[in-house]
Amino acid sequence: AQTVTQSQPEMSVQEAETVTLSCTYDTSENNYYLFWYKQPPSRQMILVIRQEAYKQQNATENRFSVNFQKAAKSFSLKISDSQLGDTAMYFCAFTYSNSGGSNYKLTFGKGTLLTVNP
Amino acid sequence: GAGVSQTPSNKVTEKGKYVELRCDPISGHTALYWYRQSLGQGPEFLIYFQGTGAADDSGLPNDRFFAVRPEGSVSTLKIQRTERGDSAVYLCASSRGRSNTEAFFGQGTRLTVV
Repeated sequence: AQTVTQSQPEMSVQEAETVTLSCTYDTSENNYYLFWYKQPPSRQMILVIRQEAYKQQNATENRFSVNFQKAAKSFSLKISDSQLGDTAMYFCAFTYSNSGGSNYKLTFGKGTLLTVNP
Repeated sequence: GAGVSQTPSNKVTEKGKYVELRCDPISGHTALYWYRQSLGQGPEFLIYFQGTGAADDSGLPNDRFFAVRPEGSVSTLKIQRTERGDSAVYLCASSRGRSNTEAFFGQGTRLTVV
């Protein structure tokens, strides 16, 4: 079974500063994918960034980047130049390529509430 | 539509009643997922459809929960004899299917059982 652990229930950061959210996971799969999702009060999950396990290079999307440590099964999210609109719940999630090839159900962590202060 | 649409946005029902939650996925997306998000938790997988068939229903908690997708587009999650423990946000997501891993989520239905 796959598990995803987010050990920081809440984090806060000053506007324009940098913050890192932690995530660890456990799996015996080799071909898998990791995600960070943002959930604002509107409840809609929004994909922030994705990492394929077979890629050694860390994914980057504008102000968002990840530190993917495959051996340590660690997948942290770094947000640079934090903005007030980044305030939200952030969920780390995992999926893998199962034998069926198309079922990419997600396993989520419990989330980290990030507050960006002006 | 432009995104995944879920209706109603909020639903309050009495214990023991039957409810239906609707999900309208992005046009052309063959894969559809239902998740349940309890207060203070991450979403938990309920069921996956590829086309019209439920390819994986391993996350349904018991036989009071059932979902259909008769024409391979709109899906309905049905809950019989609701219990207070069923109170949660029910999220729907869709993706292009096949090897595509990116899922697009709706805004969810907040179900409150009183």
